[in-house]
Amino acid sequence: ELKVEQNPLFLSMQEGKNYTIYCNYSTTSDRLYWYRQDPGKSLESLFVLLSNGAVKQEGRLMASLDTKARLSTLHITAAVHDLSATYFCAVERYNQGGKLIFGQGTELSVKP
Amino acid sequence: NAGVMQNPRHLVRRRGQEARLRCSPMKGHSHVYWYRQLPEEGLKFMVYLQKENIIDESGMPKERFSAEFPKEGPSILRIQQVVRGDSAAYFCASSPPSAEAFFGQGTRLTVV
Repeated sequence: ELKVEQNPLFLSMQEGKNYTIYCNYSTTSDRLYWYRQDPGKSLESLFVLLSNGAVKQEGRLMASLDTKARLSTLHITAAVHDLSATYFCAVERYNQGGKLIFGQGTELSVKP
Repeated sequence: NAGVMQNPRHLVRRRGQEARLRCSPMKGHSHVYWYRQLPEEGLKFMVYLQKENIIDESGMPKERFSAEFPKEGPSILRIQQVVRGDSAAYFCASSPPSAEAFFGQGTRLTVV
């Protein structure tokens, strides 16, 4: 059974600092997603990672994928308050028809 | 092209009543997924449907829950005889075959 684990689950950061969120998964995956969720809102797609060594960046966020280690990271550079949200990774396997298995989420709070 | 539309956005039901949640996929999307998010938790897969077919219902509770995606009209997630533990946010996502899914705004069900 595919399992996805994130850590940390809670992260309190100061503005301007850097940090990394980790996403480990238990079996092979075909696509890995990172989402952002603000309180009471839906999921906003941030990144889709397909292949080993994939790296994508958007603003202060950068995501990478190591399929051999079954690990993805979401790196935050010089955090700002607007990044406060809950971040989820999710894994998809093609032979399961597009179903996503989510991690528990990382609640990020960026303080001035 | 409108996004995935869910309604109602908020639904309050008394214990024992029925809840019907609707999801209209994006135009051209033939695959629909339902996920449940309990408070302070990640999203859990419930069911995957294509038009008139349930493809994977491995995440659906065995009793009281059912889903359909008729030839015409939205996908419906139906919860009979709701209990307090059914209170959650229910998200629908849709996709074309083998492509990224997009999420709706969710329906927040409160059972009183």
